[in-house]
Amino acid sequence: GENVEQHPSTLSVQEGDSAVIKCTYSDSASNYFPWYKQELGKRPQLIIDIRSNVGEKKDQRIAVTLNKTAKHFSLHITETQPEDSAVYFCAARATSGTYKYIFGTGTRLKVLA
Amino acid sequence: DSGVTQTPKHLITATGQRVTLRCSPRSGDLSVYWYQQSLDQGLQFLIQYYNGEERAKGNILERFSAQQFPDLHSELNLSSLELGDSALYFCASSPGTGAQPQHFGDGTRLSIL
Repeated sequence: GENVEQHPSTLSVQEGDSAVIKCTYSDSASNYFPWYKQELGKRPQLIIDIRSNVGEKKDQRIAVTLNKTAKHFSLHITETQPEDSAVYFCAARATSGTYKYIFGTGTRLKVLA
Repeated sequence: DSGVTQTPKHLITATGQRVTLRCSPRSGDLSVYWYQQSLDQGLQFLIQYYNGEERAKGNILERFSAQQFPDLHSELNLSSLELGDSALYFCASSPGTGAQPQHFGDGTRLSIL
């Protein structure tokens, strides 16, 4: 069945450095990839997304890249700040028959001041 | 405030019991998604409804069922509860059937004793 693998599971960076989180999906028919941020004890929040007809998308300090051939997509956060500390989830929309969203297992990002 | 309302916020019950979790989507959203998040785990997709009809199904147990009513609120019913069902249950909504789960509620924390 559909599967999304996410790495690393934990990531610690110094404030001001960049952070990269990578996801791999199994369903080649997937065509939409949202990313969510979940702060401790709070609800997930959609932070950025990318469609399969686009290779890269940026929103201020956040960018997402997609490699359809390799079925990889990544989240890049530049100039990290302590408030970026959270769990980040990638997701892939499976279009084969239904519009299911499969989530990765999450990356716990710690930005050290 | 995401506009998605989940009740109750906390629920404590015993094994073998049955509970109902309720979700009111953001105004104007027709899709409702249910997710299960166990401690320090990712988001497991359970089921999606669009305008009253089931649209996508994830790894939802047979002991679990859901429905979406004409006023678009949704209920997730969990029966024959087991200790392993203890988790945070999130509801999310979005405008369309294929749109990503965009607005998450604050979740219902279910504890099975």
